[in-house]
Amino acid sequence: EADIYQTPRYLVIGTGKKITLECSQTMGHDKMYWYQQDPGMELHLIHYSYGVNSTEKGDLSSESTVSRIRTEHFPLTLESARPSHTSQYLCASSEWENYGYTFGSGTRLTVV
Amino acid sequence: GQSLEQPSEVTAVEGAIVQINCTYQTSGFYGLSWYQQHDGGAPTFLSYNGLDGLEETGRFSSFLSRSDSYGYLLLQELQMKDSASYFCAVGSTLGRLYFGRGTQLTVWP
Repeated sequence: EADIYQTPRYLVIGTGKKITLECSQTMGHDKMYWYQQDPGMELHLIHYSYGVNSTEKGDLSSESTVSRIRTEHFPLTLESARPSHTSQYLCASSEWENYGYTFGSGTRLTVV
Repeated sequence: GQSLEQPSEVTAVEGAIVQINCTYQTSGFYGLSWYQQHDGGAPTFLSYNGLDGLEETGRFSSFLSRSDSYGYLLLQELQMKDSASYFCAVGSTLGRLYFGRGTQLTVWP
């Protein structure tokens, strides 16, 4: 059973559209993360948060923004989607730094 | 910066033992973790080594040598369901994980 939920599971959108990927967790974790993963490749950190009203950019912040208004919710917004944004986006949370991340099932985004 | 090296793929038969190695270079080290990811699924946490030595969890064991910047994941009594990608990840001074490219394990009957 998942304690961290991502919606939508799959999304196909046109270039230039604004989209928000949702991520919610029920574990009360302060730390949350967004990763981007292409097939067969490593996970790249996009954004992270250590608590409410705390957000930081990762290595691939690439025209995206996040917000953390509530502990359980950490949405990712792409202001203007491009084909280069086609990828899988994984949300994770953890109680401790560097240890024991719980990942959501991901959103597979295709920008056409 | 951070870099992690692990083999791209490994194959083995059911019941066998397989070892997946991971070497890393990091400016700050806060432990080595392993994650399993089935095709299309979420990565799931397997193990963590903060100190040198072996950690055992059922059929899986993980080892760390900080002086060699090296670790491995050992999978015993392989089952078909173990076919998946396995990622090593190192913790950093910023409390973030850096992941390797993953090792695709295929278990044959």
